[in-house]
Amino acid sequence: EIVLTQSPATLSLSPGERATLSCRASQSVSSYLAWYQQKPGQAPRLLIYDAANRATGIPARFSGSGSGTDFTLTISSLEPEDFAVYYCQQRSDWPLTFGGGTKVEIK
Amino acid sequence: QVQLGESGGGVVQPGRSLRLSCVASGSIFSRSGMHWVRQAPGKGLEWVAMIWYDGTNKYYADSVKGRFTISRDNSVNTLYLQMNILRAEDTAVYYCARDRGTRYLDSWGQGTLVTVSS
Repeated sequence: EIVLTQSPATLSLSPGERATLSCRASQSVSSYLAWYQQKPGQAPRLLIYDAANRATGIPARFSGSGSGTDFTLTISSLEPEDFAVYYCQQRSDWPLTFGGGTKVEIK
Repeated sequence: QVQLGESGGGVVQPGRSLRLSCVASGSIFSRSGMHWVRQAPGKGLEWVAMIWYDGTNKYYADSVKGRFTISRDNSVNTLYLQMNILRAEDTAVYYCARDRGTRYLDSWGQGTLVTVSS
């Protein structure tokens, strides 16, 4: 099973600041990685797929990069609605796996 | 955009069974792979199971293999999860989610809570 490790567990930032979230895989997943956003009481929402492609309707301030084992989600300038938990997910191999999540909270 | 709605959650005793349903709007359901993902209270996401658009292939997490069965009925746009021999650690919100052949989950339901407790 491919283990995804996200860091940091919590990121405390102010609106307007840049957020950089990391996801590391226990083995190469090529570019087969997605990022999801989840707000309290809501279902997750797909943000990024294949490491760097924004899903439909996702604002340009969200960007993804990386390949192999190291991936990054960047939010260029945090909006109030961006404070949430973010998960990475690999589709390189079964079982599909998610990272443990990074909570982006208001400082 | 497909709309997904789960039902069937509730409180069940350890060792008992429960069946979850997920109804999808729109004709795209029959062309979509479908997944169940769960989230224990205050915890992260855990992928549970996946079924191909035509039901011919199924995949399971080790934690549920042999106890849970995923199935679908495309004639009524419905996905199912039969959960047997339930354990306390199966307590979670269960989400159904769509996959357009990419194994990325681009539409999610709002979830249904399953509580396994005596």
